Amino acid sequence: DSGVTQTPKHLITATGQRVTLRCSPRSGDLSVYWYQQSLDQGLQFLIQYYNGEERAKGNILERFSAQQFPDLHSELNLSSLELGDSALYFCASSGPPGPNSPLHFGNGTRLTVT
Amino acid sequence: GQQVMQIPQYQHVQEGEDFTTYCNSSTTLSNIQWYKQRPGGHPVFLIQLVKSGEVKKQKRLTFQFGEAKKNSSLHITATQTTDVGTYFCAGPDNTDKLIFGTGTRLQVFP
Repeated sequence: DSGVTQTPKHLITATGQRVTLRCSPRSGDLSVYWYQQSLDQGLQFLIQYYNGEERAKGNILERFSAQQFPDLHSELNLSSLELGDSALYFCASSGPPGPNSPLHFGNGTRLTVT
Repeated sequence: GQQVMQIPQYQHVQEGEDFTTYCNSSTTLSNIQWYKQRPGGHPVFLIQLVKSGEVKKQKRLTFQFGEAKKNSSLHITATQTTDVGTYFCAGPDNTDKLIFGTGTRLQVFP
């Protein structure tokens, strides 16, 4: 158990809808990362937060947004969903930001857009 | 932007055979990390290499960081069915966000 909690585990929704994915980092970790993994694909970095502030952004679509709250949990909001958004969304956490901090991943949320 | 490629994309081996995956970055890395993702699971951190030419071992797994700090390899000796999964290398870009390699999926046949 990595200590990172993601909910829900599965999400099935229709095109055009909006969903929210939630992540609670490991106790003590201030950094939260979101990654997208499409079927048989690698891990695409979406966004990173540190202690409530956005720290780095990847190729995140404008339809997607995220935030980290004062209690350090994070939410990833996906709107105007398209079929191509179907993927596994992972949250990860780490200690202080920096190049040497390994990531601890949650079990992921599998999003299916129909 | 920085790219991290891995070869091969897939590898099927007979149990007991050795396996190696290679990781190549388009830029010099301050460190390289390796992760394993079991089928249906999430990536799990294995190890981090920091020094040029560094070699680290974890039981049957040997990790190496290239002298130029742009490439790395993971070698598994005498594979077992428990080694099945996708192995990812990852390195920080110039803004310290971790960029994952394309991954190598290992299948081990008993």
